[in-house]
Amino acid sequence: AQTVTQSQPEMSVQEAETVTLSCTYDTSESDYYLFWYKQPPSRQMILVIRQEAYKQQNATENRFSVNFQKAAKSFSLKISDSQLGDAAMYFCAVSGSSNTGKLIFGQGTTLQVKP
Amino acid sequence: DAGVIQSPRHEVTEMGQEVTLRCKPISGHNSLFWYRQTMMRGLELLIYFNNNVPIDDSGMPEDRFSAKMPNASFSTLKIQPSEPRDSAVYFCASSLDSIYGYTFGSGTRLTVV
Repeated sequence: AQTVTQSQPEMSVQEAETVTLSCTYDTSESDYYLFWYKQPPSRQMILVIRQEAYKQQNATENRFSVNFQKAAKSFSLKISDSQLGDAAMYFCAVSGSSNTGKLIFGQGTTLQVKP
Repeated sequence: DAGVIQSPRHEVTEMGQEVTLRCKPISGHNSLFWYRQTMMRGLELLIYFNNNVPIDDSGMPEDRFSAKMPNASFSTLKIQPSEPRDSAVYFCASSLDSIYGYTFGSGTRLTVV
C-alpha cells in the first residue's frame, strides 16, 4: 500500500523569495517514482518535477528542485525566485515502478504568492 | 498530440439520473486512470486500466459507479443513479509508463442537484 502525507495545508511566500513544501510517503514497493503536480485555479493538473527513487541525485527543473531523503521517506519541493504564477495547489504523489503502477496523491498544499 | 481529452467539461444533472463521463487518452499510452477530486477527500483513485483491462477498481465507491474501456482510445465512467454526494471533479489520466509520469485531462465538474 502507498500513502502520501502533506502536513502543510497552506503556505505563503513573498514574490522572489524561496519556499519549501513538505511531503512524506510510505510504500511497500522496492522501486518507485515520486512526483510533484501543480493545480492552478484552471484545475489542470500539471507535472512539475519527478524523481526516480533509485537515483540519489535530487531532480531539478529550472526554479523547482526537490530534496529527496529516501531513508526518511521525505520528498520536499523547493521553489526558488517565486513568481505570482506559482500560486496554486501543489500535490505530492508516489507510484510504483511497474507499467501498471498507480499514482497516489497527498492532500495538497495551497501556495499563496504575495506581491 | 492533443493530450488527454475529457468530455463534458461541466455536467449538471438531477439526482437519480444516469451520468456518463468520457475520456480519450493519449495515443500510445497503455494505462488509464480515473480520479475523483473533492474538498473533503482530495484526489481519490477510482479505477485504473492497463491495456484496456481493469487492474484495480478498489477505489470505486459503490455499485452505482462503473467504468469501461472498450478500446485503447476511449473510456467511460458511469454513475447510475447519481446522488448529490457524487458532485466532484472527475479526472482522467493516462500513462505510457510510471517513469514518464501521468498526463491528466482537464477534468469534468459534475454537479448533482
